[in-house]
Amino acid sequence: QSGLTQPPSASGSPGQSVTISCTGTNSDVGGHNHVSWYQQRPGKAPKLMIYEVNKRPSGVPDRFSGSKSGNTASLTVSGLQAEDEADYYCSSHGGSKVFGGGTKLTVL
Amino acid sequence: EVQVVESGGGLVQPEGSLRLSCAASGFTFNYWLKWVRQAPGKGLEWVADINKDGSETYYVDSVKGRFTISRDNSINSLYLQMNSLRAEDTAVYYCVRDMGWNTFDIWGQGTMVTVSS
Repeated sequence: QSGLTQPPSASGSPGQSVTISCTGTNSDVGGHNHVSWYQQRPGKAPKLMIYEVNKRPSGVPDRFSGSKSGNTASLTVSGLQAEDEADYYCSSHGGSKVFGGGTKLTVL
Repeated sequence: EVQVVESGGGLVQPEGSLRLSCAASGFTFNYWLKWVRQAPGKGLEWVADINKDGSETYYVDSVKGRFTISRDNSINSLYLQMNSLRAEDTAVYYCVRDMGWNTFDIWGQGTMVTVSS
């Protein structure tokens, strides 16, 4: 059982927005701004999409955004595209677990 | 090109040993490095950490005493010595660069380890 809790699944139609949550504790998500998000397409290695809550590495589309409120961080994907279908994992410094359990995003 | 490339995976019998390697290129090797694994159909699991000069190492409880992470900064390489392997160690093992505070910006393609008789 992961210390960072994510919903197992999320879905949306092309063009819509979808938000994935990551709930931790004051020791991890709520204690600082070192929260990151990773996209993993089938058969591929994870890819960093968001770091420090809301920063995007070079090359990541601005359709991907991050935020945090208290002990819960969120990843929002706007203008959903078919290529966004993947597993998404959150990570945070501190706490007993490094990664959330993952959320499978389905584009309907 | 900034990249890390893992090697050394394969099929091994229970209680056997395997050594994974990770070769880094395109960046200065002065980072914390990690091994992260993913069992078939499961999520990501952090396995081990090593600091920049190799003087500090950390492990997930399930591998303590069986796995050893090490690095050779002279040849930009990271290693994971895995002993007393169990079926539950079956996974893809990723070499990962930590840009700081558990932010993993560089991932290898992974190497598959299968523990089975």
